[in-house]
Amino acid sequence: QKEVEQNSGPLSVPEGAIASLNCTYSDRGSQSFFWYRQYSGKSPELIMFIYSNGDKEDGRFTAQLNKASQYVSLLIRDSQPSDSATYLCAVEDAGNMLTFGGGTRLMVKP
Amino acid sequence: SQTIHQWPATLVQPVGSPLSLECTVEGTSNPNLYWYRQAAGRGLQLLFYSVGIGQISSEVPQNLSASRPQDRQFILSSKKLLLSDSGFYLCAWSGGPASPLHFGNGTRLTVT
Repeated sequence: QKEVEQNSGPLSVPEGAIASLNCTYSDRGSQSFFWYRQYSGKSPELIMFIYSNGDKEDGRFTAQLNKASQYVSLLIRDSQPSDSATYLCAVEDAGNMLTFGGGTRLMVKP
Repeated sequence: SQTIHQWPATLVQPVGSPLSLECTVEGTSNPNLYWYRQAAGRGLQLLFYSVGIGQISSEVPQNLSASRPQDRQFILSSKKLLLSDSGFYLCAWSGGPASPLHFGNGTRLTVT
């Protein structure tokens, strides 16, 4: 059973701080990694994807991948109350099947 | 640009009634199509996926079925709904391996 683990939270950070969201996965053959944001009652929307070890930055978001340690993280700089949502990590295995983590609920307090 | 349409947005159905949810994708050809379900406060559960017309793979045995009658149309059905079928149903598409999933707006189904 391939697993993708996330701390369910809630992770509470003050406005303007850096939010750090982490995800670990069990399948060493995983190749592609995605972060989604899901507001309450809404469908998930893609934030970022990362394929190679290291950091990938897009605006206030940075995805970090470490395949040797089997973890992927998402950093949100200058967190805003509008960033309050559940963040889903998704991992694609060598068979091109996507497994989602349970999500981390982020709360950004003004 | 690609868009995905899913309807209806909300649905309340009695136990034992049939179900048909429809999803269509525009702006791309031969997409991979997916049906997910998300129970309240829970993660995403893959129900079905399709890599082409008439090709359906089921991930979870249950009283639901899926069909892909056209390249960009994906339908989720049930002959008789159970209370446990309540949830948030999401259709998604991707362009293939290593491509991200793009979700529709979802259908919130309540079985009473």
